[in-house]
Amino acid sequence: SQTIHQWPATLVQPVGSPLSLECTVEGTSNPNLYWYRQAAGRGLQLLFYSVGIGQISSEVPQNLSASRPQDRQFILSSKKLLLSDSGFYLCAWSRTRVTGELFFGEGSRLTVL
Amino acid sequence: DAKTTQPPSMDCAEGRAANLPCNHSTISGNEYVYWYRQIHSQGPQYIIHGLKNNETNEMASLIITEDRKSSTLILPHATLRDTAVYYCIVRVAGGTSYGKLTFGQGTILTVHP
Repeated sequence: SQTIHQWPATLVQPVGSPLSLECTVEGTSNPNLYWYRQAAGRGLQLLFYSVGIGQISSEVPQNLSASRPQDRQFILSSKKLLLSDSGFYLCAWSRTRVTGELFFGEGSRLTVL
Repeated sequence: DAKTTQPPSMDCAEGRAANLPCNHSTISGNEYVYWYRQIHSQGPQYIIHGLKNNETNEMASLIITEDRKSSTLILPHATLRDTAVYYCIVRVAGGTSYGKLTFGQGTILTVHP
Protein backbone atom coordinates (compact mmCIF):
# COMPACT_ATOMS: atom_id res chain seq x y z
CA SER A 1 0.00 0.00 0.00
CA GLN A 2 1.03 3.58 -0.53
CA THR A 3 2.09 5.85 2.29
CA ILE A 4 3.12 9.46 2.54
CA HIS A 5 5.20 11.01 5.27
CA GLN A 6 6.21 14.57 5.93
CA TRP A 7 8.35 16.15 8.60
CA PRO A 8 8.84 17.87 10.85
CA ALA A 9 5.33 17.81 12.27
CA THR A 10 5.78 21.07 14.16
CA LEU A 11 8.23 23.88 13.64
CA VAL A 12 8.73 27.25 15.32
CA GLN A 13 11.12 29.50 13.45
CA PRO A 14 12.19 33.16 13.78
CA VAL A 15 11.58 35.64 10.99
CA GLY A 16 14.41 35.58 8.49
CA SER A 17 15.49 32.01 9.19
CA PRO A 18 15.54 29.29 6.51
CA LEU A 19 12.98 26.52 6.13
CA SER A 20 13.04 22.98 4.84
CA LEU A 21 10.04 20.65 4.93
CA GLU A 22 10.41 17.20 3.49
CA CYS A 23 7.89 14.77 2.08
CA THR A 24 8.35 11.22 0.85
CA VAL A 25 5.95 8.78 -0.75
CA GLU A 26 6.30 5.00 -0.63
CA GLY A 27 4.61 2.21 -2.51
CA THR A 28 4.12 3.96 -5.84
CA SER A 29 6.22 5.27 -8.68
CA ASN A 30 6.11 8.47 -10.72
CA PRO A 31 3.45 10.12 -8.54
CA ASN A 32 2.30 13.70 -8.97
CA LEU A 33 3.35 15.59 -5.85
CA TYR A 34 1.84 18.70 -4.30
CA TRP A 35 2.43 21.24 -1.54
CA TYR A 36 -0.63 22.93 -0.06
CA ARG A 37 -0.85 25.51 2.70
CA GLN A 38 -3.74 26.15 5.06
CA ALA A 39 -3.58 29.45 6.92
CA ALA A 40 -5.47 29.74 10.20
CA GLY A 41 -9.24 29.73 9.59
CA ARG A 42 -8.82 29.59 5.83
CA GLY A 43 -9.08 27.03 3.07
CA LEU A 44 -6.30 25.06 1.45
CA GLN A 45 -4.19 26.78 -1.17
CA LEU A 46 -2.10 24.90 -3.72
CA LEU A 47 1.47 26.20 -3.65
CA PHE A 48 3.44 23.85 -5.93
CA TYR A 49 2.97 20.72 -7.92
CA SER A 50 5.38 18.38 -9.66
CA VAL A 51 4.79 15.78 -12.37
CA GLY A 52 8.35 14.44 -12.37
CA ILE A 53 11.91 14.77 -11.07
CA GLY A 54 13.11 18.34 -11.38
CA GLN A 55 9.75 19.54 -12.72
CA ILE A 56 8.14 22.13 -10.47
CA SER A 57 5.18 24.40 -11.17
CA SER A 58 4.27 27.25 -8.88
CA GLU A 59 0.66 28.28 -8.42
CA VAL A 60 1.23 31.54 -6.55
CA PRO A 61 4.18 33.92 -6.26
CA GLN A 62 5.63 33.73 -2.80
CA ASN A 63 8.61 33.49 -0.55
CA LEU A 64 8.83 29.72 -0.91
CA SER A 65 10.35 27.28 -3.37
CA ALA A 66 10.03 23.56 -4.00
CA SER A 67 12.31 20.87 -5.33
CA ARG A 68 11.97 17.25 -6.35
CA PRO A 69 15.41 15.65 -6.25
CA GLN A 70 14.07 12.08 -6.42
CA ASP A 71 10.94 10.47 -7.81
CA ARG A 72 9.21 10.17 -4.46
CA GLN A 73 10.74 13.07 -2.56
CA PHE A 74 9.36 16.60 -2.45
CA ILE A 75 10.93 19.44 -0.49
CA LEU A 76 9.53 22.85 0.42
CA SER A 77 12.08 25.53 1.23
CA SER A 78 12.57 29.16 2.06
CA LYS A 79 15.75 31.17 2.43
CA LYS A 80 14.18 33.76 4.73
CA LEU A 81 10.86 33.17 6.45
CA LEU A 82 8.22 35.88 6.81
CA LEU A 83 5.52 36.11 9.46
CA SER A 84 2.96 35.46 6.72
CA ASP A 85 4.55 32.06 6.02
CA SER A 86 2.99 30.67 9.19
CA GLY A 87 0.45 27.95 8.52
CA PHE A 88 -0.28 24.28 8.14
CA TYR A 89 1.67 22.80 5.23
CA LEU A 90 0.41 19.66 3.57
CA CYS A 91 2.14 17.41 1.11
CA ALA A 92 -0.02 15.25 -1.14
CA TRP A 93 0.34 12.80 -4.00
CA SER A 94 -1.85 11.51 -6.79
CA ARG A 95 -1.54 8.94 -9.50
CA THR A 96 -0.24 10.34 -12.77
CA ARG A 97 -3.53 10.57 -14.62
CA VAL A 98 -5.94 10.61 -11.68
CA THR A 99 -5.36 14.09 -10.40
CA GLY A 100 -8.63 14.61 -8.57
CA GLU A 101 -7.90 11.92 -6.02
CA LEU A 102 -5.26 13.25 -3.66
CA PHE A 103 -3.70 11.55 -0.67
CA PHE A 104 -2.42 13.94 1.96
CA GLY A 105 0.32 13.63 4.53
CA GLU A 106 -0.04 14.39 8.22
CA GLY A 107 0.89 18.03 7.81
CA SER A 108 3.60 20.31 9.19
CA ARG A 109 2.56 23.20 11.39
CA LEU A 110 4.90 26.17 10.97
CA THR A 111 4.86 29.14 13.30
CA VAL A 112 7.06 32.07 12.37
CA LEU A 113 7.76 34.47 15.26
CA ASP B 1 -14.18 24.26 -11.66
CA ALA B 2 -17.85 24.54 -10.76
CA LYS B 3 -18.75 26.24 -7.52
CA THR B 4 -20.32 24.23 -4.72
CA THR B 5 -22.62 25.22 -1.87
CA GLN B 6 -22.75 23.32 1.41
CA PRO B 7 -24.47 24.03 4.73
CA PRO B 8 -21.95 25.40 7.24
CA SER B 9 -22.72 22.87 9.93
CA MET B 10 -24.74 19.74 10.71
CA ASP B 11 -25.30 17.50 13.71
CA CYS B 12 -25.81 13.76 13.77
CA ALA B 13 -26.40 11.22 16.51
CA GLU B 14 -23.88 8.42 16.82
CA GLY B 15 -25.03 5.31 14.99
CA ARG B 16 -27.41 7.20 12.75
CA ALA B 17 -26.89 8.02 9.09
CA ALA B 18 -25.31 11.37 8.30
CA ASN B 19 -26.56 12.90 5.05
CA LEU B 20 -24.43 15.80 3.83
CA PRO B 21 -25.85 17.79 0.90
CA CYS B 22 -23.99 19.70 -1.77
CA ASN B 23 -25.31 21.93 -4.53
CA HIS B 24 -23.35 22.28 -7.77
CA SER B 25 -25.84 23.69 -10.26
CA THR B 26 -23.15 24.87 -12.72
CA ILE B 27 -21.41 21.50 -13.04
CA SER B 28 -20.13 20.64 -16.50
CA GLY B 29 -20.56 17.32 -18.27
CA ASN B 30 -16.97 16.21 -17.70
CA GLU B 31 -16.75 17.27 -14.06
CA TYR B 32 -16.83 14.79 -11.22
CA VAL B 33 -18.07 15.31 -7.67
CA TYR B 34 -15.39 14.63 -5.05
CA TRP B 35 -15.76 14.46 -1.31
CA TYR B 36 -12.97 14.94 1.19
CA ARG B 37 -12.98 15.40 4.94
CA GLN B 38 -10.54 16.99 7.33
CA ILE B 39 -10.37 15.99 10.94
CA HIS B 40 -8.97 18.69 13.18
CA SER B 41 -5.21 19.22 12.77
CA GLN B 42 -4.90 16.48 10.16
CA GLY B 43 -4.55 16.47 6.40
CA PRO B 44 -7.68 16.09 4.25
CA GLN B 45 -8.79 12.55 3.51
CA TYR B 46 -10.27 11.48 0.21
CA ILE B 47 -13.66 9.80 0.68
CA ILE B 48 -15.33 9.14 -2.64
CA HIS B 49 -16.07 10.58 -6.04
CA GLY B 50 -18.57 10.05 -8.85
CA LEU B 51 -19.70 11.33 -12.23
CA LYS B 52 -23.39 10.53 -12.55
CA ASN B 53 -24.02 7.09 -11.09
CA ASN B 54 -24.34 6.52 -7.37
CA GLU B 55 -21.15 5.25 -5.80
CA THR B 56 -20.41 3.30 -2.64
CA ASN B 57 -17.19 2.32 -0.92
CA GLU B 58 -16.16 1.21 2.53
CA MET B 59 -16.42 4.74 3.90
CA ALA B 60 -19.55 6.22 2.38
CA SER B 61 -22.13 6.39 -0.37
CA LEU B 62 -22.52 9.18 -2.90
CA ILE B 63 -25.90 9.93 -4.38
CA ILE B 64 -25.94 12.25 -7.40
CA THR B 65 -29.23 13.59 -8.72
CA GLU B 66 -30.22 12.80 -12.27
CA ASP B 67 -29.62 16.38 -13.42
CA ARG B 68 -26.26 16.30 -11.55
CA LYS B 69 -26.96 19.66 -9.95
CA SER B 70 -26.72 18.32 -6.42
CA SER B 71 -25.40 15.36 -4.49
CA THR B 72 -25.51 13.83 -1.03
CA LEU B 73 -22.73 12.11 0.86
CA ILE B 74 -24.07 9.44 3.19
CA LEU B 75 -22.19 8.06 6.17
CA PRO B 76 -24.44 5.10 6.99
CA HIS B 77 -23.55 4.68 10.65
CA ALA B 78 -21.82 7.78 11.94
CA THR B 79 -19.32 7.46 14.78
CA LEU B 80 -17.68 10.09 16.95
CA ARG B 81 -14.56 9.74 14.79
CA ASP B 82 -16.54 11.02 11.80
CA THR B 83 -16.66 14.49 13.35
CA ALA B 84 -14.82 16.61 10.78
CA VAL B 85 -15.15 19.25 8.09
CA TYR B 86 -16.54 17.70 4.90
CA TYR B 87 -15.69 19.26 1.56
CA CYS B 88 -17.59 18.81 -1.68
CA ILE B 89 -15.44 19.61 -4.73
CA VAL B 90 -16.35 19.56 -8.39
CA ARG B 91 -13.61 19.19 -11.01
CA VAL B 92 -12.43 17.16 -13.96
CA ALA B 93 -10.93 13.81 -13.05
CA GLY B 94 -7.59 14.32 -14.74
CA GLY B 95 -6.24 16.67 -17.31
CA THR B 96 -3.96 19.57 -16.65
CA SER B 97 -5.56 20.80 -13.45
CA TYR B 98 -2.94 18.66 -11.69
CA GLY B 99 -4.45 18.20 -8.30
CA LYS B 100 -5.56 21.77 -7.82
CA LEU B 101 -8.49 21.18 -5.55
CA THR B 102 -10.51 24.22 -4.55
CA PHE B 103 -11.57 23.62 -0.96
CA GLY B 104 -14.43 25.85 0.12
CA GLN B 105 -15.64 26.28 3.68
CA GLY B 106 -17.22 22.82 3.80
CA THR B 107 -19.71 21.44 6.30
CA ILE B 108 -18.69 20.95 9.92
CA LEU B 109 -20.26 17.64 10.90
CA THR B 110 -20.53 17.04 14.62
CA VAL B 111 -21.45 13.53 15.70
CA HIS B 112 -22.70 13.43 19.27
CA PRO B 113 -23.30 10.50 21.62
